[in-house]
Amino acid sequence: QAVVTQEPSLTVSPGGTVTLTCASSTGAVTSGHCPYWFHQKPGQVPRTLIYDITKKHSWTPARFSGSLLGGKAALTLSGAQPEDEAEYYCLLSYSGVWVFGGGTKLTVL
Amino acid sequence: EVQLVESGGGLVQPGGSLRLSCAASGFTFTNYWMHWVRQAPGKGLEWVSHINSDGDRTAFADSVKGRFTISRDNAKNTVYLQMDGLRAADTAVYYCANGLASWGQGTLVTVSS
Repeated sequence: QAVVTQEPSLTVSPGGTVTLTCASSTGAVTSGHCPYWFHQKPGQVPRTLIYDITKKHSWTPARFSGSLLGGKAALTLSGAQPEDEAEYYCLLSYSGVWVFGGGTKLTVL
Repeated sequence: EVQLVESGGGLVQPGGSLRLSCAASGFTFTNYWMHWVRQAPGKGLEWVSHINSDGDRTAFADSVKGRFTISRDNAKNTVYLQMDGLRAADTAVYYCANGLASWGQGTLVTVSS
């Protein structure tokens, strides 16, 4: 089974911009991996932010955006808010078998 | 409003079985693949399984393949996860999700003697 790698932790200043990445052990992340991004705050259920690289749900704040960047999936947060402090997970599809990354703990400080 | 309500969790001995259910409402159930995702205490998310709209295509994580079975009853808007041969490493909160969009609150499975 493939391994999906994320930064263990990142820090961003309030109002700042940060990019989280998601790498695949099998090579470059492509549209075929259908990247998803989720966040989870302590004690809460995960919430889906981004699907199919760039698509947003109705509840996804506009400050979040998804992309492919340098062979990885990327989640960019522009204008970080204190409430964005959370664990962020990416998810990739490998021919219908999905694998989560280990998560990135994002601190807004 | 989308609602996903998991049930069936509990304490089970190693080697035992449990069947989880996820009752769905607020959306057209037959339009969605349904997923199970789990989270061990203090750990990250792990995708477990999914099933297509018709119920004839399924996939599983390597960690549960051969031990877990997924099924759905479109007449009851419910998806199931049959878990056999349970191990301590299966201890987790199990979430269902519709097309990986909305998530239920989860049900806790504890495998311990």
